[in-house]
Amino acid sequence: AQKVTQAQTEISVVEKEDVTLDCVYETRDTTYYLFWYKQPPSGELVFLIRRNSFDEQNEISGRYSWNFQKSTSSFNFTITASQVVDSAVYFCALGGEYGNKLVFGAGTILRVKS
Amino acid sequence: EPEVTQTPSHQVTQMGQEVILRCVPISNHLYFYWYRQILGQKVEFLVSFYNNEISEKSEIFDDQFSVERPDGSNFTLKIRSTKLEDSAMYFCASSSGTGKNIQYFGAGTRLSVL
Repeated sequence: AQKVTQAQTEISVVEKEDVTLDCVYETRDTTYYLFWYKQPPSGELVFLIRRNSFDEQNEISGRYSWNFQKSTSSFNFTITASQVVDSAVYFCALGGEYGNKLVFGAGTILRVKS
Repeated sequence: EPEVTQTPSHQVTQMGQEVILRCVPISNHLYFYWYRQILGQKVEFLVSFYNNEISEKSEIFDDQFSVERPDGSNFTLKIRSTKLEDSAMYFCASSSGTGKNIQYFGAGTRLSVL
């Protein structure tokens, strides 16, 4: 069975601090995809990134970066120089091939204080 | 930018009543999904739909639930006889089935069963 664990329930940081959100996954599939979604206070789910199981290169997009390590089954998300607008719930998710469901972690609440 | 549209944003109903939640997926997408999120909890998969039939459903998706694509644009979730425990945010998502096959989510419908 597939499983995603986000052990950090809630993180509070002060603006401009760096913060890393952890995600550990379990799957028996050899081909799979990992995602991060952001859920701001308004409630929608905003896609941030998708990574496939064959690509372990880290990715950077502005203040966001992702570290995928297959050896530890982890796909961690770092926000550099956090801002108040980053305050949201962040979900890590695991999916299979086309049309397969996403399995979500429990989410991490990030609070960025000014 | 194309987006998934859900209506209504908030639905209040009495226990035992039928509700229909509506979604307009992104126009060239082929895969459609419903997820739900009970307040403060993780996002859970309900059902996926492809080529006019259910491709996968979770154990949550019992006989009181049904989905339909009545025309070329809408995708609906019907709950036949609502229960108190059906109160949740319901998210519709769609994916293209090609390329990166990312699931894009609508803003959700908050269902309140009284």
